Amino acid sequence: GDSVTQMEGPVTLSEEAFLTINCTYTATGYPSLFWYVQYPGEGLQLLLKATKADDKGSNKGFEATYRKETTSFHLEKGSVQVSDSAVYFCALSVDFGNEKLTFGTGTRLTIIP
Amino acid sequence: KAGVTQTPRYLIKTRGQQVTLSCSPISGHRSVSWYQQTPGQGLQFLFEYFSETQRNKGNFPGRFSGRQFSNSRSEMNVSTLELGDSALYLCASSLLGGQGNYGYTFGSGTRLTVV
Repeated sequence: GDSVTQMEGPVTLSEEAFLTINCTYTATGYPSLFWYVQYPGEGLQLLLKATKADDKGSNKGFEATYRKETTSFHLEKGSVQVSDSAVYFCALSVDFGNEKLTFGTGTRLTIIP
Repeated sequence: KAGVTQTPRYLIKTRGQQVTLSCSPISGHRSVSWYQQTPGQGLQFLFEYFSETQRNKGNFPGRFSGRQFSNSRSEMNVSTLELGDSALYLCASSLLGGQGNYGYTFGSGTRLTVV
């Protein structure tokens, strides 16, 4: 079945550090890939997405590139801020009438000033 | 525009009772999905409704059910509650379903505690 493997957390970084959160996937067909973010006490917010190989999703300084050859969708940010502290989820959705999201386990990110 | 609205935000129920949670999707969205989030199991898909029809279902017992109304609002019901049903229940709406280009918008969730 479809699955998402996400970098174990928690991750603690200093402000302005470079961030990478690894995500790899296994899927039948050609999935769309997503990064969602969850702030304390809130639901999920879509951070960025990519729908086909070599697409780069970007938002709020975060980027991720859909790499079909390595089945990866790593999240990166060049300079993190305290406000980026949250839990990040990598997810995939496969077309062909199977419109559900399959999530990774989530990575808790804490940024210290 | 208004986002996805889930009610109530918090709920405490006793083991053996039943509960109904409500979700109002973004206006015009026809697909509503439900997810359960727990510390142990993470985010798990419950079911998806599109135009009042259940289109997809996850691996949950029959105690978990749902429905969608003609205005796309959705409810999920859990009967005979167990302690393990304590979770954050998230609703997500999408224009047509998670077909990549459209994506999902999540509500803030309903926190259910079973005692």
